[in-house]
Amino acid sequence: DTGVSQDPRHKITKRGQNVTFRCDPISEHNRLYWYRQTLGQGPEFLTYFQNEAQLEKSRLLSDRFSAERPKGSFSTLEIQRTEQGDSAMYLCASSSSDPLGGLGAEAFFGQGTRLTVV
Amino acid sequence: RKEVEQDPGPFNVPEGATVAFNCTYSNSASQSFFWYRQDCRKEPKLLMSVYSSGNEDGRFTAQLNRASQYISLLIRDSKLSDSATYLCVVNSGYNKLIFGAGTRLAVHP
Repeated sequence: DTGVSQDPRHKITKRGQNVTFRCDPISEHNRLYWYRQTLGQGPEFLTYFQNEAQLEKSRLLSDRFSAERPKGSFSTLEIQRTEQGDSAMYLCASSSSDPLGGLGAEAFFGQGTRLTVV
Repeated sequence: RKEVEQDPGPFNVPEGATVAFNCTYSNSASQSFFWYRQDCRKEPKLLMSVYSSGNEDGRFTAQLNRASQYISLLIRDSKLSDSATYLCVVNSGYNKLIFGAGTRLAVHP
């Protein structure tokens, strides 16, 4: 399978614990996105990378959240001191460089990591 | 105000009906636009890109109105398999993709 892969698929953790999620994008894609989705809502932008550079981080994201993409390939999203409000689906997506000169390339999503904080 | 706004629905329509979804965006500098489809408990998948001249793909037609900052999706001859959530997506610059909350469609026999 050469799609976007996320690990783990499900994570249950106790409040206050740290969790880390991994995303492996499609191999030739240089852009990688992280989103959070709760029931009945669309994906909420968290952050994104072009190669290893983190280009933007949502202002909605607290300092407990950090993401890395050290070699421009896979990425990790860490949540420290988890809270019940962090319970959500965390989606990763990747896309190639824009082939259309500004019209935007398709983003492919992984199946997500469902986090439950108890 | 949210960057991308959609009517959440749900839209309940019979098979064969025509249904239209609208989406508005706040950033006038946005460059490109998409409709994604998301099935229950699945990841979003691209349905179609939205070009400035409007575009059609089978039963689906997308339109863009830059002056009014809205995007529309028209589905003709609805099928049961069209039941899903339709997400409006705006590339707000530097390839940052912003999603609307989605519009839920339920097609019934």
